Formats: sequence, C-alpha cells, structure tokens
Amino acid sequence: GAVVSQHPSWVICKSGTSVKIECRSLDFQATTMFWYRQFPKQSLMLMATSNEGSKATYEQGVEKDKFLINHASLTLSTLTVTSAHPEDSSFYICSAWGQPNQETQYFGPGTRLLVL
Amino acid sequence: KQEVTQIPAALSVPEGENLVLNCSFTDSAIYNLQWFRQDPGKGLTSLLLIQSSQREQTSGRLNASLDKSSGRSTLYIAASQPGDSATYLCAVNTGKLIFGQGTTLQVKP
Repeated sequence: GAVVSQHPSWVICKSGTSVKIECRSLDFQATTMFWYRQFPKQSLMLMATSNEGSKATYEQGVEKDKFLINHASLTLSTLTVTSAHPEDSSFYICSAWGQPNQETQYFGPGTRLLVL
Repeated sequence: KQEVTQIPAALSVPEGENLVLNCSFTDSAIYNLQWFRQDPGKGLTSLLLIQSSQREQTSGRLNASLDKSSGRSTLYIAASQPGDSATYLCAVNTGKLIFGQGTTLQVKP
C-alpha cells in the first residue's frame, strides 16, 4: 500500500514552454502533498506544500507564479513549470501524506525535466 | 534555522563490512527523523523512522539510532552487500522534512 506515482517520468522541452507534472496517490487519500526539487548530487529541497482544496504554501525563494501547484482532489496534485528555462532543469519529486499512516510521507519516483 | 549534515559524503567498502553513516542536525525540536535510500535517478524509499521519543529502530540488517539532545543519528548497516549501494538520506521532520546532502555508498563485491 501507500503508492505514489508521477507522470511523466521524464520530459524534454524547449525553453519558454510550460510543463505539467502529475502526482497521484494510488491507494490512499493524500490530504497533503509536497513538491521537492533535486539538482544533481544535491539533496532534496522542499518547494511547496499543498493541501487538498486550498492554495499551496511556497518555501522562501520559490516563485509561485512560475511553479503553479494545484491539489484539486485527495489523490492528485499537479506542478506546472511555466515558461521553463534551462535553469529549471532538475529532478522533481512529489510526496504524499495522509490516511492511514500519517507518520511518514510517501514519495513518488520523480520526474526528470530537461529544458533545452 | 534547521540544518542537516551527513558525513561522510561518499563511502566505498568491500562486501561484508559493517558500516555507520552519520547524520547531525542543529535544532533538537523535531517530531521524528527518517532515513531514506535513493537509487540513481529514482525516488526515495523509506528505511527507518524514529520518533523523537525513541532511541533506535531496527529493520533487518539496518539499525538507526537517535540522540535528540546532541542532534545526532546514525544508520548502521550490518554485513553490507553490493545491493546496498545507493545514496542514503536522513531527514528531520519539523513539520516539514529537511534533508541532509546524503551519503553515497558503494559496496564492492
């Protein structure tokens, strides 16, 4: 149980385009989802926290107009990178937190984004 | 501001060795601490979670300890195997997870 999926697993896009990444909790209801970014050989950095049905809370230094997060249901959150640029190239990982085990976050497999 | 540090950054050992990975954090006000494994290009797999009131947790060949007062945790891996090769991340939960930089482990056959 407690499986989180992400789609797509990797994406290549041209600079200036927008990219949407989906995060789904497959077998549990995720009241809260988290989005992280990981640059090569670096650790995960929390970008934002989203609760179902409400606006996301962004970490300091993360542009909310650039990284649009929608958590419209208890099983789906989306991250849209708007007007992507090469410096946005990174590994994006989501996690979900909810019933029945609220002690830990369950992580998705990640999405690798390459902006040319 | 909570900061999490992991030492060493990289470690290479022969198969069969016991090893210890270290994690330190600057603020003892945490709910719990978690150790994760990350394979290259993959997501995270949770290994062990230690509540702030606990001292250690064990799962198979893995044992994690927590000394909240000194801001330290260790992950002990017994009888290491090549399949243990991965990056190990520790994270403290302060209401959100704050990760260390990770220790990349290579176990040579």
